[in-house]
Amino acid sequence: GAVVSQHPSRVICKSGTSVKIECRSLDFQATTMFWYRQFPKKSLMLMATSNEGSKATYEQGVEKDKFLINHASLTLSTLTVTSAHPEDSSFYICSARPTLRGSTDTQYFGPGTRLTVL
Amino acid sequence: AQSVAQPEDQVNVAEGNPLTVKCTYSVSGNPYLFWYVQYPNRGLQFLLKYITGDNLVKGSYGFEAEFNKSQTSFHLKKPSALVSDSALYFCAVRDWSGGYQKVTFGTGTKLQVIP
Repeated sequence: GAVVSQHPSRVICKSGTSVKIECRSLDFQATTMFWYRQFPKKSLMLMATSNEGSKATYEQGVEKDKFLINHASLTLSTLTVTSAHPEDSSFYICSARPTLRGSTDTQYFGPGTRLTVL
Repeated sequence: AQSVAQPEDQVNVAEGNPLTVKCTYSVSGNPYLFWYVQYPNRGLQFLLKYITGDNLVKGSYGFEAEFNKSQTSFHLKKPSALVSDSALYFCAVRDWSGGYQKVTFGTGTKLQVIP
């Protein structure tokens, strides 16, 4: 149980285009999902907290208009990188926290999406 | 502000030997602590967590971690390392920030188990 999927797993795009990454919780509902960015040999940097039915909460320094987050349902959150540039190339990882009474806040991570912007 | 520190970028251990990956934390209240493992080009996998209770927490794949409040540490341990344990390990702490829960990750420790 507690499986989180991401699609696509790998994407290459041209500079200036937009890319959408999907994060799905497959066997549980998640009111809250998180989006992280991981640079090579670096820790995960929390970009934003995605809340179902409301606006995402962005971390300081993360551009809201560039990284659009939509949490349309209890099992799906999307991250859209708008007008992508080579410096946006990175490994993007989502996680989901089950919406369960008594949940102890464990996050379950997706497998990640490798974005390469040419 | 909450934080975790993983003082070692890399830990090398011979197969069959015990391993320890270090983590210290700083939080304003009671700590919720986690360990995750990441294999190359993969997402993070949950290993174990400490919320309350016994200081020795047992997790997946034979790993365990010891919570030490006086030393503010939460070191990850395994009695006998396997080559397949080679991966990147992250310590994390959950706390409240700006009115909502936030998890902060350490910088990660690369574990290399030598055959």
